[in-house]
Amino acid sequence: GQQLNQSPQSMFIQEGEDVSMNCTSSSIFNTWLWYKQDPGEGPVLLIALYKAGELTSNGRLTAQFGITRKDSFLNISASIPSDVGIYFCAGRGGGGADGLTFGKGTHLIIQP
Amino acid sequence: KAGVTQTPRYLIKTRGQQVTLSCSPISGHRSVSWYQQTPGQGLQFLFEYFSETQRNKGNFPGRFSGRQFSNSRSEMNVSTLELGDSALYLCASSLALGSSPLHFGNGTRLTVT
Repeated sequence: GQQLNQSPQSMFIQEGEDVSMNCTSSSIFNTWLWYKQDPGEGPVLLIALYKAGELTSNGRLTAQFGITRKDSFLNISASIPSDVGIYFCAGRGGGGADGLTFGKGTHLIIQP
Repeated sequence: KAGVTQTPRYLIKTRGQQVTLSCSPISGHRSVSWYQQTPGQGLQFLFEYFSETQRNKGNFPGRFSGRQFSNSRSEMNVSTLELGDSALYLCASSLALGSSPLHFGNGTRLTVT
């Protein structure tokens, strides 16, 4: 089946630093999504990408859909304490016939 | 607009029992998907329903089943519970079958003892 490799697994950064995380897939995806999950809550959608090469921003967040359709990255600029949480990438293959395939998550920890 | 609502938030069951979880999608969303989240396996797709029919299914045993009602609300059932079924079960809704993005509820935390 499809697999997503998300890295890094965890990040310890200082407040104000920029953050970068990425996902690579063993197969092609038609959609890439980035979610954030806080403790005790469900994943919340951050950015959705639908086209290879697409670069989309949402405030301090920027994500790109890789040209090969097998990878995506998420950048967070000028991190703040509320950015703490677990970030997941997710992809959906062709035809929408499958559910989302999720990465294992990047745990972001911010040191004040 | 109300988000995806899942009930109950917490459940404790004994091995061998069965359990039913409920999900109300965002108003106007017609597709409902279910995911299992565990520390070891992460988020895994269970199944997706649209127009009261299961359209897609993940790699889970037949003990996991679901249904969708005419108002798009969905229930998920797990029979003959095993210890390994302890997990956070997340429901997500979307406008149409196979469409993105998915909007998730806060989940039902199931503990099997």
